[in-house]
Amino acid sequence: AQSVAQPEDQVNVAEGNPLTVKCTYSVSGNPYLFWYVQYPNRGLQFLLKYITGDNLVKGSYGFEAEFNKSQTSFHLKKPSALVSDSALYFCAVRDPTKATGTASKLTFGTGTRLQVTL
Amino acid sequence: DGGITQSPKYLFRKEGQNVTLSCEQNLNHDAMYWYRQDPGQGLRLIYYSQIVNDFQKGDIAEGYSVSREKKESFPLTVTSAQKNPTAFYLCASTPGGIIRNTGELFFGEGSRLTVL
Repeated sequence: AQSVAQPEDQVNVAEGNPLTVKCTYSVSGNPYLFWYVQYPNRGLQFLLKYITGDNLVKGSYGFEAEFNKSQTSFHLKKPSALVSDSALYFCAVRDPTKATGTASKLTFGTGTRLQVTL
Repeated sequence: DGGITQSPKYLFRKEGQNVTLSCEQNLNHDAMYWYRQDPGQGLRLIYYSQIVNDFQKGDIAEGYSVSREKKESFPLTVTSAQKNPTAFYLCASTPGGIIRNTGELFFGEGSRLTVL
């Protein structure tokens, strides 16, 4: 079964400092990996994804993530945090070898709350 | 603009009543999904549908029902059999076909159900 772990419930960082939100995964094959962001009482917004190719993936709002197969990790990073980055971040995984037809059954982590302060 | 519309955004119901949450999309996506979000538990899949008139149970389907009579619409009914219905419900969609679908879900803005 596919699974995702986000080991930190909350990450605190000062504005202007780099941020990292951690994610590790478990799938039987090569994973599709995703990061989403959620603001209070809103839906999830897609940030970036890794399907294949370059291990460093760039996404929206200056975020990037590094796929590390040996460590089964997909940590989200940003060189310089903004107060407006404060939100709930979700990592998700899909095992493309699973027979789900054309559906995209993602498994989500429990989320990490990012708090950026002045 | 294309997107997913969920309604109502907030809903209050008495215990024992069935409730139907609406989800409409104009993205021409084939697959649609319902997730439930609880604090500290992330998102859990309730039901999903790949094409019209077809749907499959997700991980927590008990106490819920869905229909897919039109490509654009995937309503979710929270029945009185659902033990803990108070939650934030999210509808999502993806394009159809193996080539077009790399897995990215497009989400609506959610519906918050509170059972009193």
